[in-house]
Amino acid sequence: KQEVTQIPAALSVPEGENLVLNCSFTDSAIYNLQWFRQDPGKGLTSLLLIQSSQREQTSGRLNASLDKSSGRSTLYIAASQPGDSATYLCARRSPRRGAQKLVFGQGTRLTINP
Amino acid sequence: ETGVTQTPRHLVMGMTNKKSLKCEQHLGHNAMYWYKQSAKKPLELMFVYSLEERVENNSVPSRFSPECPNSSHLFLHLHTLQPEDSALYLCASSQASGVITDTQYFGPGTRLTVL
Repeated sequence: KQEVTQIPAALSVPEGENLVLNCSFTDSAIYNLQWFRQDPGKGLTSLLLIQSSQREQTSGRLNASLDKSSGRSTLYIAASQPGDSATYLCARRSPRRGAQKLVFGQGTRLTINP
Repeated sequence: ETGVTQTPRHLVMGMTNKKSLKCEQHLGHNAMYWYKQSAKKPLELMFVYSLEERVENNSVPSRFSPECPNSSHLFLHLHTLQPEDSALYLCASSQASGVITDTQYFGPGTRLTVL
């Protein structure tokens, strides 16, 4: 069974801190891995997409890494802000062309305290 | 309207009702998806349509019936639901071009409560 696990389930840190969110997956045969953000009661917004041939991607204060051999990905958030408070989901995409099949983790609920 | 829209945003229904959820994408995409997000469970893929043809049905009970009349519209018809079907139902679309960086764009979801 293809599973994606995210630890911790919830995280609360003071504003300004750097933090790391973790994602692990059981099948290393991935097409790519994505990190999404979900605000309460809202849909998902794609943050970063790492192809299976890449090791990391950066966008602003966000940096995502991928280690296929260990089945792990991390999302690093620098200089956290209260606006970063949301649930962060990672999803692996199976090797498949055309329409996608994403398998999601349960998410990490992040709270940044002013 | 831009992006992916879903209506209604909130729905309360009894177990004997029949209702439909609607999704519309304005991105020119070729694939559309239905997901279910329950409390304390990962987001679950329900159905995938590519060029209006269903290409994936993730063992979803028959009380959920999808319909994709064209590449811009996707419906989820609901009948005789159970209280455990209460969840946030999310629609998404993607280009489905085979490009590895192709990503899904999500709608805001419909919060469904079954009494």
